[in-house]
Amino acid sequence: AQSVTQPDIHITVSEGASLELRCNYSYGATPYLFWYVQSPGQGLQLLLKYFSGDTLVQGIKGFEAEFKRSQSSFNLRKPSVHWSDAAEYFCAVGLSGGSYIPTFGRGTSLIVHP
Amino acid sequence: KAGVTQTPRYLIKTRGQQVTLSCSPISGHRSVSWYQQTPGQGLQFLFEYFSETQRNKGNFPGRFSGRQFSNSRSEMNVSTLELGDSALYLCASSSGRGADTDTQYFGPGTRLTVL
Repeated sequence: AQSVTQPDIHITVSEGASLELRCNYSYGATPYLFWYVQSPGQGLQLLLKYFSGDTLVQGIKGFEAEFKRSQSSFNLRKPSVHWSDAAEYFCAVGLSGGSYIPTFGRGTSLIVHP
Repeated sequence: KAGVTQTPRYLIKTRGQQVTLSCSPISGHRSVSWYQQTPGQGLQFLFEYFSETQRNKGNFPGRFSGRQFSNSRSEMNVSTLELGDSALYLCASSSGRGADTDTQYFGPGTRLTVL
């Protein structure tokens, strides 16, 4: 069965600092990988997704993620964090075949200090 | 273009009752998916409807059901409510062409509290 691990429950960074959120997955085939963001009281928003091709994926709001098959990882990065980036971030792996049937990680809460 | 709307936004029910939640997708979208979010279990996929047919289903008991209408609006129903059904229920819509070329948009969710 597929699974996703986000090792960090909370991450605290200063505004302007760089950010990396970790995600490791377990899946038998080539995975479909996603990162979502959830602001307080809001639904989810898709930041980026990986299906194939270039292993460095660009997303919205200045985020990027790199797929590393050898490490079963799909870490999310941002070079300079803004206070508005404070939110919950979820990594997810989806079944191949193209449908949105994600298995989500437990999330990482990002706290941004001024 | 209007986003995904969910009604009601908040709901309080008692154990044993049933509840129906509604989701209106973005205009032109034919796929609607439902998710449950709880502190204990996190985010879990419930089911997906496409063109009025259930296309995929998560690992939930039969008390959880859904349907989709010809205008792509979707409802989910939970019968015989249990305390553990208290959750944020999220709806998401997409064109349904396939996640590799498609983008899924989420509604704000319905917060269900079971007393």
